Amino acid sequence: GAVVSQHPSRVICKSGTSVKIECRSLDFQATTMFWYRQFPKQSLMLMATSNEGSKATYEQGVEKDKFLINHASLTLSTLTVTSAHPEDSSFYICSASSRTSGRVTDTQYFGPGTRLTVL
Amino acid sequence: AQKITQTQPGMFVQEKEAVTLDCTYDTSDPSYGLFWYKQPSSGEMIFLIYQGSYDQQNATEGRYSLNFQKARKSANLVISASQLGDSAMYFCAMNFNTNAGKSTFGDGTTLTVKP
Repeated sequence: GAVVSQHPSRVICKSGTSVKIECRSLDFQATTMFWYRQFPKQSLMLMATSNEGSKATYEQGVEKDKFLINHASLTLSTLTVTSAHPEDSSFYICSASSRTSGRVTDTQYFGPGTRLTVL
Repeated sequence: AQKITQTQPGMFVQEKEAVTLDCTYDTSDPSYGLFWYKQPSSGEMIFLIYQGSYDQQNATEGRYSLNFQKARKSANLVISASQLGDSAMYFCAMNFNTNAGKSTFGDGTTLTVKP
């Protein structure tokens, strides 16, 4: 099956610093990747859609200058949390989209997530 | 607007018994895909099963089956012969071709399997 990796799995940083999270599709080319944020015991909240070679599309209420997304290749998307603050502490998950033969819509395959703690 | 509803915040099941997790959806789009994901305490989202809106038969994947009732707009997940490792949060999700591949997720159901 399709495998998506995410790095780092856990990061602790000081307030004011920037943190970069990488999302890679290991065995397929992903023209589209998605970034989600998840609070404990809650559902996934879509932050942005990342398309290879073009600007990311952000969901309403998500600050694009705060959460920088780059999708430089068909297998790599990065999320940079700039000038992180304690309220940015959360679980961040990426997914990569792959059209599976016979399916009406694309399946999203998820990375293992990154737990960010900002002190 | 598309919406996914999971009405069971938490469910308990005895080991080796079957359990049904409910999911209803609302859409006017005739073409869509329904997905179920499992999220254990480690946080990773594991794809379980897929049902396309045009599929004639209910999807099955091992111990997982999807009870798809299109007229009622429901896509319940049935887990047979529950195992302790099935304890996790389960999310129902929906994709649309017209929505740039974005998924709409339900609020999730926490399943606890009792020994």
